[in-house]
Amino acid sequence: QKEVEQNSGPLSVPEGAIASLNCTYSDRVSQSFFWYRQYSGKSPELIMSIYSNGDKEDGRFTAQLNKASQYVSLLIRDSQPSDSATYLCAVNGDDKIIFGKGTRLHILP
Amino acid sequence: ETGVTQTPRHLVMGMTNKKSLKCEQHLGHNAMYWYKQSAKKPLELMFVYNFKEQTENNSVPSRFSPECPNSSHLFLHLHTLQPEDSALYLCASSRDRASLDTQYFGPGTRLTVL
Repeated sequence: QKEVEQNSGPLSVPEGAIASLNCTYSDRVSQSFFWYRQYSGKSPELIMSIYSNGDKEDGRFTAQLNKASQYVSLLIRDSQPSDSATYLCAVNGDDKIIFGKGTRLHILP
Repeated sequence: ETGVTQTPRHLVMGMTNKKSLKCEQHLGHNAMYWYKQSAKKPLELMFVYNFKEQTENNSVPSRFSPECPNSSHLFLHLHTLQPEDSALYLCASSRDRASLDTQYFGPGTRLTVL
C-alpha cells in the first residue's frame, strides 16, 4: 500500500516565524511532489511543485525534496495569519497520485 | 474562481436515487479528475480522463460512473449509494495528465446520502 504521511497537527507558529511542514512517502519510484493549501470550507489550491532533489523557492515558500530519505518539506517564511490552513502533500509516481491527510497550520497573531 | 465550476454545490439523496454531478472547466485543459474528500481521510483520486479517455479508475465501486463527453465537461453519475459515500466530491483539471503543476480544483459538491 503506497502511503504519504503527514503530521496532522495542529502546528502552531507565531506570526513572523518560519513554519516547517513535513511529509514522507513510501513509493521509491515517485517522480513529482506537490504541496496544496486548503482553507476551511474551500477546495485545495496548488502552491508548490518539486521534481528534483534540493530546494525550490517561490516567494515566502520553499519546498525541499530528499528522494534518498523519501521526504519532502515545505517552509513558509515570515508566517502570516492568512497562512492558517491545512497543507496537503501529494506524491505522483507510476501514474498514481497519493495525498497525505494534511497538516493543520495555525499562525498565532 | 479557478475556472473550474461544479454543480450542484450541495446534494442530498436517498440510497435508491440516481443523480449526477457536473463539472465544467474553462481553462482549455485536456485532463479532468474526480476526487473524494472525506473527514479524517486523505483526498482520494477516483477517476482520471486525459484527452477524453479514461486513464485511471482507482478501484472505485461501480455505483459511481464517470462520463467525459469532451475535454471541458465531466460528469459523475451516482446510483444506489451508501451513507458512507457522503463526502465532498471535487473535480479538477490540468493541461494534461503529466502536467499536475497546472491542476486547478473546482469548489466541490457536498454530497449527503441518507
